[in-house]
Amino acid sequence: AQKVTQAQTEISVVEKEDVTLDCVYETRDTTYYLFWYKQPPSGELVFLIRRNSFDEQNEISGRYSWNFQKSTSSFNFTITASQVVDSAVYFCALSGHGSARQLTFGSGTQLTVLP
Amino acid sequence: EPEVTQTPSHQVTQMGQEVILRCVPISNHLYFYWYRQILGQKVEFLVSFYNNEISEKSEIFDDQFSVERPDGSNFTLKIRSTKLEDSAMYFCASSEARNNSPLHFGNGTRLTVT
Repeated sequence: AQKVTQAQTEISVVEKEDVTLDCVYETRDTTYYLFWYKQPPSGELVFLIRRNSFDEQNEISGRYSWNFQKSTSSFNFTITASQVVDSAVYFCALSGHGSARQLTFGSGTQLTVLP
Repeated sequence: EPEVTQTPSHQVTQMGQEVILRCVPISNHLYFYWYRQILGQKVEFLVSFYNNEISEKSEIFDDQFSVERPDGSNFTLKIRSTKLEDSAMYFCASSEARNNSPLHFGNGTRLTVT
């Protein structure tokens, strides 16, 4: 069975602070994919990144960066110099090789960036 | 940028009534999905659909649910006899054919069963 744990239910930061959202996963698959989605107050789910289990290279996209560590089964997401528009619920998700099209989501982290 | 569109954005129905939630996936995508999110909870997989048939479904997707691609563009989720606990946000998604291509979600339909 697959499981994604986002232990941080809510985080509040002041604008321009850096913030890291944690994600820990469990899977028996040797090939799997990890995702982050953003859900702003308007409710839609916005795809941010996909990572496969063979690629542990960290990725940076503008103010966003992701740290994938297979040894600790973690896929953490850092926002640098946060902005009010970053306020949203962020979901980490996992899909396994055997069920490649079924995403297992974490419970989400509500990020509030205060001006 | 192409997007998945869902209608209506909000549907209110009485318990026991049938509802149909509609989705137009991204045009060159071949896999279609329904997920739901009960208020304040995690997003849960319901069903995936490919080549005019269900490819995977979760235990949530019982006999009261059905999906259909009635024409070349729409993808629908029908709930036959709604229950109070069906109240949730329902998300449609689509993806390309290649394995583990990212899912692109629509804005969701908020279903309220009274």
